Amino acid sequence: DTAVSQTPKYLVTQMGNDKSIKCEQNLGHDTMYWYKQDSKKFLKIMFSYNNKELIINETVPNRFSPKSPDKAHLNLHINSLELGDSAVYFCASSPPGDYGYTFGSGTRLTVV
Amino acid sequence: QQQVKQSPQSLIVQKGGISIINCAYENTAFDYFPWYQQFPGKGPALLIAIRPDVSEKKEGRFTISFNKSAKQFSLHIMDSQPGDSATYFCAVHTGGFKTIFGAGTRLFVKA
Repeated sequence: DTAVSQTPKYLVTQMGNDKSIKCEQNLGHDTMYWYKQDSKKFLKIMFSYNNKELIINETVPNRFSPKSPDKAHLNLHINSLELGDSAVYFCASSPPGDYGYTFGSGTRLTVV
Repeated sequence: QQQVKQSPQSLIVQKGGISIINCAYENTAFDYFPWYQQFPGKGPALLIAIRPDVSEKKEGRFTISFNKSAKQFSLHIMDSQPGDSATYFCAVHTGGFKTIFGAGTRLFVKA
């Protein structure tokens, strides 16, 4: 009964390729997020979605395009992958009026 | 612009000791101060959180101390155990739909 699930867990791809990461939550939360964790473990917000609507786009290159088909899903599509995109990407969600996040287990993206 | 500063970067504590991790923030508009625990290969997990109208919150061996005037808050882990070895992140909720994380503290508890 995974609360926030991401697929795939690992992704190895060549520079210039396009890839997608999927996220689903079964908690009934209204808000979903994408965070990027770099090699030094620093967590940086990328996007926030509330009720399928984009709320925050944290100066992420437009090669990154999130899509929320419904409240339970938030996918991340990345075009023209670069070496610097290598990181762990975490999806998270939170309920209305509560700022505590439930994170997925992450997708480790390696661009070679 | 670093809105939350966390220290130390790493911490080694003997089993049974007290682990203390500190965070300082800049903006008095922040309204929620959580701590997350992350094990290798896993996502961060919410450990404990406090709101600014409270100076201390305790849950089991974990305590948050909050000093609003100094704009600082800290995590205390009492009776630290080897199973507590993980990376700990403080964070601040900025209002809206955004939480900013500190840089993390790697805790190692020696058996």
